[in-house]
Amino acid sequence: SAVISQKPSRDICQRGTSLTIQCQVDSQVTMMFWYRQQPGQSLTLIATANQGSEATYESGFVIDKFPISRPNLTFSTLTVSNMSPEDSSIYLCSVPTGGMGLSSHNEQFFGPGTRLTVL
Amino acid sequence: AQSVSQHNHHVILSEAASLELGCNYSYGGTVNLFWYVQYPGQHLQLLLKYFSGDPLVKGIKGFEAEFIKSKFSFNLRKPSVQWSDTAEYFCAVTGAGSYQLTFGKGTKLSVIP
Repeated sequence: SAVISQKPSRDICQRGTSLTIQCQVDSQVTMMFWYRQQPGQSLTLIATANQGSEATYESGFVIDKFPISRPNLTFSTLTVSNMSPEDSSIYLCSVPTGGMGLSSHNEQFFGPGTRLTVL
Repeated sequence: AQSVSQHNHHVILSEAASLELGCNYSYGGTVNLFWYVQYPGQHLQLLLKYFSGDPLVKGIKGFEAEFIKSKFSFNLRKPSVQWSDTAEYFCAVTGAGSYQLTFGKGTKLSVIP
């Protein structure tokens, strides 16, 4: 199993500012995923981060608002830009269980999440 | 687009009661189905999964789920709950070969000693 850490674990930010969330995995992985869980809602996939290429964003999410970096096979960042109170959520990263090999079973390990509050 | 519905927002049970949490999905193809659990203060972790074969799957801690294709359902069951099962439970689906998980809104389970 992969061990995933996220920084910060929580933050309170002012409207209009940006926050960068870090995700570190203890082993190399092909893909990393970023999810958002708004209060009372389900987890929603924001984007898939691949090393060496641009992230792939899901419908409703754009790079200008959620820029993602993937500088190597164990690390990724998600930035929440120009924040508003509607961005208050838990942001989670996850990785597939197959590591460098793609798991045919599509399981994912999740990080502990970053709880963001925007005032 | 795929979607997942979990019928109960909050379930409260006494210890030793039986549990069934409903999950229905909408997807036009072969699916992989998951139940994830999040204990208070802990990471989201996989409880059990279904990919193919026997539609009754067993997971950790005595949980099981049954895939009923005709009903597009994947309900989670446990014959006798314990206080330590207090957690939030999420049903999720993805198309075969895809990593794009679609989650339900979650069901909070409170078990009273």
